[in-house]
Amino acid sequence: AQTVTQSQPEMSVQEAETVTLSCTYDTSENNYYLFWYKQPPSRQMILVIRQEAYKQQNATENRFSVNFQKAAKSFSLKISDSQLGDTAMYFCAFMKLRDDKIIFGKGTRLHILP
Amino acid sequence: EAGVAQSPRYKIIEKRQSVAFWCNPISGHATLYWYQQILGQGPKLLIQFQNNGVVDDSQLPKDRFSAERLKGVDSTLKIQPAKLEDSAVYLCASSLEQNGMGYEQYFGPGTRLTVT
Repeated sequence: AQTVTQSQPEMSVQEAETVTLSCTYDTSENNYYLFWYKQPPSRQMILVIRQEAYKQQNATENRFSVNFQKAAKSFSLKISDSQLGDTAMYFCAFMKLRDDKIIFGKGTRLHILP
Repeated sequence: EAGVAQSPRYKIIEKRQSVAFWCNPISGHATLYWYQQILGQGPKLLIQFQNNGVVDDSQLPKDRFSAERLKGVDSTLKIQPAKLEDSAVYLCASSLEQNGMGYEQYFGPGTRLTVT
């Protein structure tokens, strides 16, 4: 069975700083997808970034980038130039290839301080 | 495009009562998901529909939970009777396809259920 572990329940950083959220996962699969989802307070969850395991290149989306270490089963999210609007719960998630079931971690609550 | 709609947004009931949640996915999305998100945890899949057929309901407590997706569009999730441990946010999500290719799931705002 797949598991996703986020070891940082809560983090706080000053606006404009860079922050890295950690995620590790466990799977025996070789091909899969990894995601970071953002859940702002009282708002719906949205996809931040997506990584295909067969791609060695780390995914980036504007200020968001990942450090995907397949051998270590690590998938961290880096937020550069953090903004107040980045305050949210961030969930790391895993999906096997050809399987729509997403396995979510417990989340990291991120506070961006003015 | 309009997002995933859910209602009600909040519901408070007493244990042993019944409750129903409604979800309207994004137009054209064939796949619909219901998740349960207990406070302090990530969402857990309860049931997945492809059009109006059930793809996966392995984690749905079938003795008290039921769900349907008539005509492959809207869906309802029902709990009868509710228990205290059912207090959670119930999220509905939809995606364009169900072929395991990592299509993005679009989430609704959720229904926060409190069972007293």
